[in-house]
Amino acid sequence: QVQLVQSGSELKKPGASVKVSCKASGYTFTSYTMTWVRQAPGQGLECMGWINTNTGNPTYAQGFTGRFVFSLDTSVSTAYLQISSLKAEDTAVYYCARQRAAVGNYYYMDVWGKGTTVTVSS
Amino acid sequence: QTVVTQEPSFSVSPGGTVTLTCGLSSGSVSTNYYPSWYQQTPGQAPRTLIYSTNTRSSGVPNRFSGSILGNKAALTITGAQADDESDYYCLLYMGSGIWVFGGGTKLTVL
Repeated sequence: QVQLVQSGSELKKPGASVKVSCKASGYTFTSYTMTWVRQAPGQGLECMGWINTNTGNPTYAQGFTGRFVFSLDTSVSTAYLQISSLKAEDTAVYYCARQRAAVGNYYYMDVWGKGTTVTVSS
Repeated sequence: QTVVTQEPSFSVSPGGTVTLTCGLSSGSVSTNYYPSWYQQTPGQAPRTLIYSTNTRSSGVPNRFSGSILGNKAALTITGAQADDESDYYCLLYMGSGIWVFGGGTKLTVL
């Protein structure tokens, strides 16, 4: 079945970096764009941006430029989110989600990973 | 910057009907924003309910329906059940690769 399996929880100190993985299975990885979504404690969902899994071209939403990097390893059907210079306010659950988009037809997320909790604390 | 608005909270009695809405701080929501809806229970990943305004995702019960009501997208739950108690988020596609979630509605069934 189609699924996205994310890496486990991370505890990092301020200033460190973290790399979250999202391994896809059950479908052709390069046929669907991958979106990253952040959810801070007690807060709502926030779209961080997305990466074209065919071209590797990332697009970052406002507020997620500079310290955030989306990347791929298509040989293992995996998308990555790297955050550098971590701050306390980066503490959140990070989700990957498969994006469905067809011009004039639909735009939505249809499959979600279970989320990766990143905690930034000294 | 455009803000997508949702009611912060709502309550419904078991068996009752509730309509949650999704609007814009400036302007109207239309089908051209391809509104989609997601259900999230505490500690769980979001689950896709509705896309393209009114298409139910696979496996979603038909008590969940989507529509445009006036100038907002709407999610209606008919015959609410206890396990419908969740947070509900709408997502709008703004065009040019920009996606914006609403702030979410916490639904209580009591």
